[in-house]
Amino acid sequence: AQKVTQAQTEISVVEKEDVTLDCVYETRDTTYYLFWYKQPPSGELVFLIRRNSFDEQNEISGRYSWNFQKSTSSFNFTITASQVVDSAVYFCALSVGWNRGGGNKLTFGTGTQLKVEL
Amino acid sequence: GAGVSQSPRYKVAKRGQDVALRCDPISGHVSLFWYQQALGQGPEFLTYFQNEAQLDKSGLPSDRFFAERPEGSVSTLKIQRTQQEDSAVYLCASSLGRGLTDTQYFGPGTRLTVL
Repeated sequence: AQKVTQAQTEISVVEKEDVTLDCVYETRDTTYYLFWYKQPPSGELVFLIRRNSFDEQNEISGRYSWNFQKSTSSFNFTITASQVVDSAVYFCALSVGWNRGGGNKLTFGTGTQLKVEL
Repeated sequence: GAGVSQSPRYKVAKRGQDVALRCDPISGHVSLFWYQQALGQGPEFLTYFQNEAQLDKSGLPSDRFFAERPEGSVSTLKIQRTQQEDSAVYLCASSLGRGLTDTQYFGPGTRLTVL
């Protein structure tokens, strides 16, 4: 079975601070994908990034960066110079191998509520 | 439309009523997923369609839950004899293909409250 743990329930920062959201995953599959989604108050999950299990190269996109470490089964997400608009719930998710039924259902963590204040 | 749409956005039902939740995926998307998100939790998988075929319904919590996608586009999630524990946000997602690399795009969800 797969599991995703986001130990940080809520994080509060002041605008312009850097913040890292932690994600730890568990799977026995060797082929898997990791995702981060953002859920603003409107409720719609917004895709941020996808990473496959064979690519440990870190990625940067603007103020966002992701650190994938297979040795610790972690896929952490850092926001540099946070802004009020970054306030949302952030979910880490995992999909594994080739699902017997087809498709790539996602296993989500419980989310981290990020509050960025002025 | 540009994205996944769901209707209604909010639904209040009395316990025991039947409800039907609709999902319009992105045009041309083969895969369609339903998830249930309880308050303060992450979404949990309910069921998966590839075109009109329901290939995985392992997440449906009971036989009161039923989903269909008869023409391979619009999908309906039906809950019979609703219970208070069914109160949650029901999210629909679609993806272009059926592979591990396909990104799922989510709709805004339907918030179901069972009184």
